[in-house]
Amino acid sequence: DQQVKQNSPSLSVQEGRISILNCDYTNSMFDYFLWYKKYPAEGPTFLISISSIKDKNEDGRFTVFLNKSAKHLSLHIVPSQPGDSAVYFCAALTQGGSEKLVFGKGTKLTVNP
Amino acid sequence: DTAVSQTPKYLVTQMGNDKSIKCEQNLGHDTMYWYKQDSKKFLKIMFSYNNKELIINETVPNRFSPKSPDKAHLNLHINSLELGDSAVYFCASSRQEKLFFGSGTQLSVL
Repeated sequence: DQQVKQNSPSLSVQEGRISILNCDYTNSMFDYFLWYKKYPAEGPTFLISISSIKDKNEDGRFTVFLNKSAKHLSLHIVPSQPGDSAVYFCAALTQGGSEKLVFGKGTKLTVNP
Repeated sequence: DTAVSQTPKYLVTQMGNDKSIKCEQNLGHDTMYWYKQDSKKFLKIMFSYNNKELIINETVPNRFSPKSPDKAHLNLHINSLELGDSAVYFCASSRQEKLFFGSGTQLSVL
């Protein structure tokens, strides 16, 4: 039962262009969403998050958009840089709940120079 | 000055053996976790401890026993290892909703 889905296992973009990573969720109780970035042989690191009371959160080159009615969120990276090449995980939780973060399967982003 | 450190990084062992993975965090967080990333790449929570007390146990087999001697440490002991236990195990601690992960322990059961 996949509550958080990242349907694209991989994405390849050119340096300087926009990268758009997508994530869908099924549990309407989720009210907080996070993106994590993972390099090989390292643990995931927190990138950016958004609460369900917002529809957009921006941090430098990274912007997360949330569409609650569609149960969809996306991470935009612009401009993309080769150092952004990593696996990106979408995660969700219900605040005030069991503190259980549910992760998607990840999307491997490759930014070509 | 590593925030969440876990050892060993790689663990290769035979079926039936018992092994432990250690985790320590120096972030002062009250809550620590064990996550498992299986062959399908899903990251799934196994256990969560808050200030040495177990708060989440995600129907993990009894062969897995977490131990938290203090709030900075959460170790994972696995008895009678099986082939299906092969995975990457991540320790983490949290501040509010944000998790801080260790670099993972790749366990291979032969």
